[in-house]
Amino acid sequence: DVKVTQSSRYLVKRTGEKVFLECVQDMDHENMFWYRQDPGLGLRLIYFSYDVKMKEKGDIPEGYSVSREKKERFSLILESASTNQTSMYLCASSLWDISGANVLTFGAGSRLTVL
Amino acid sequence: AQKITQTQPGMFVQEKEAVTLDCTYDTSDPSYGLFWYKQPSSGEMIFLIYQGSYDQQNATEGRYSLNFQKARKSANLVISASQLGDSAMYFCAMYKPGGGADGLTFGKGTHLIIQP
Repeated sequence: DVKVTQSSRYLVKRTGEKVFLECVQDMDHENMFWYRQDPGLGLRLIYFSYDVKMKEKGDIPEGYSVSREKKERFSLILESASTNQTSMYLCASSLWDISGANVLTFGAGSRLTVL
Repeated sequence: AQKITQTQPGMFVQEKEAVTLDCTYDTSDPSYGLFWYKQPSSGEMIFLIYQGSYDQQNATEGRYSLNFQKARKSANLVISASQLGDSAMYFCAMYKPGGGADGLTFGKGTHLIIQP
């Protein structure tokens, strides 16, 4: 079964800490995404990567950075966590051309609480 | 820029009834795709159904069907004979080919609760 695996389901961090959220896919997908999900706001794209070492800013990149050194791994980094970054973070991957046959596959999510 | 609107933040439905979840979209591109995802309380987003803008027939997948009305820019999800396990958040999304990071847009979701 194809998978997108997010390393941590639940994290609790303190304000100012550096936080790494890891995502690994085993489908040889070109595209990888990081979304943030908040009640009433739906899914908002933070960053998108279409190839190794390539990245594009999404709707809300401020306060985040990403790293894609290998095709299968896409990391989201919070350089200095703040309480307003408490949220559910969803990683997804897809083939380069998204279509009915090649939809986004999501991980189970990482729920981050910043105290 | 493309936009997806889901006007129902929450819905309560009796078990075994049919459910229609609304989704309207706005785009000037002739080529696009429409998706529905289900997110149960476990958190994982599950793909349900896809409709291409050039598809002549409405998409169906088991108990799920997509009521695609192109002129009205509407892509409602219909769930027939609802079950308790259908209780979840449902998201409508639109994809524009070649759109890169801007290519995929999600609605804000509808929280569906099926009552016994």
